[in-house]
Amino acid sequence: ETGVTQTPRHLVMGMTNKKSLKCEQHLGHNAMYWYKQSAKKPLELMFVYNFKEQTENNSVPSRFSPECPNSSHLFLHLHTLQPEDSALYLCASSQDLGTEAFFGQGTRLTVV
Amino acid sequence: GEDVEQSLFLSVREGDSSVINCTYTDSSSTYLYWYKQEPGAGLQLLTYIFSNMDMKQDQRLTVLLNKKDKHLSLRIADTQTGDSAIYFCAEIGYSTSNTGKLIFGQGTTLQVKP
Repeated sequence: ETGVTQTPRHLVMGMTNKKSLKCEQHLGHNAMYWYKQSAKKPLELMFVYNFKEQTENNSVPSRFSPECPNSSHLFLHLHTLQPEDSALYLCASSQDLGTEAFFGQGTRLTVV
Repeated sequence: GEDVEQSLFLSVREGDSSVINCTYTDSSSTYLYWYKQEPGAGLQLLTYIFSNMDMKQDQRLTVLLNKKDKHLSLRIADTQTGDSAIYFCAEIGYSTSNTGKLIFGQGTTLQVKP
């Protein structure tokens, strides 16, 4: 248990569905991240939030829409996804940018 | 840009030592990390080393850093079947941006045979 909780753990959605991934941390961290982990590819940083403000968007398609209402919660809203978006989506938090990150268990997403 | 490279696979026998290697390109890296990912789970921080150190030991784990060659290694002594996992090397560097983002290698799958 790292203190970072992600829900749901598994999600199967159709290409026309809209769903959201949730991440929560009560570690008092100021920075939160979304990563995508696909088979046989390096971890891809998607979004970075620092003090609720988005500081990085790594050319992520607009069908992925992050939301950070406060420093403890981070969402990833999904709509009209493609099968190649199937992956493990990992949330992480760190005390500040540039310090060690603590990861959630991930959400295994399958797009059918 | 920053890049972190690891070999993809390592197989050892239970009780042997495992050495997982990593090279990185960002000479301004401040901290370097090793993460472990067990099947179906997220990444767990194992250990880290600050860039002004060349060695850190933590129980069965030894981290060696050769800053001149930009080479990092993780040695696991007396490897157990429970050590079977994917091990990620990561760095935080500031050479191209000030976001201090964590750059990961591809991960090394460690297989421990009984």
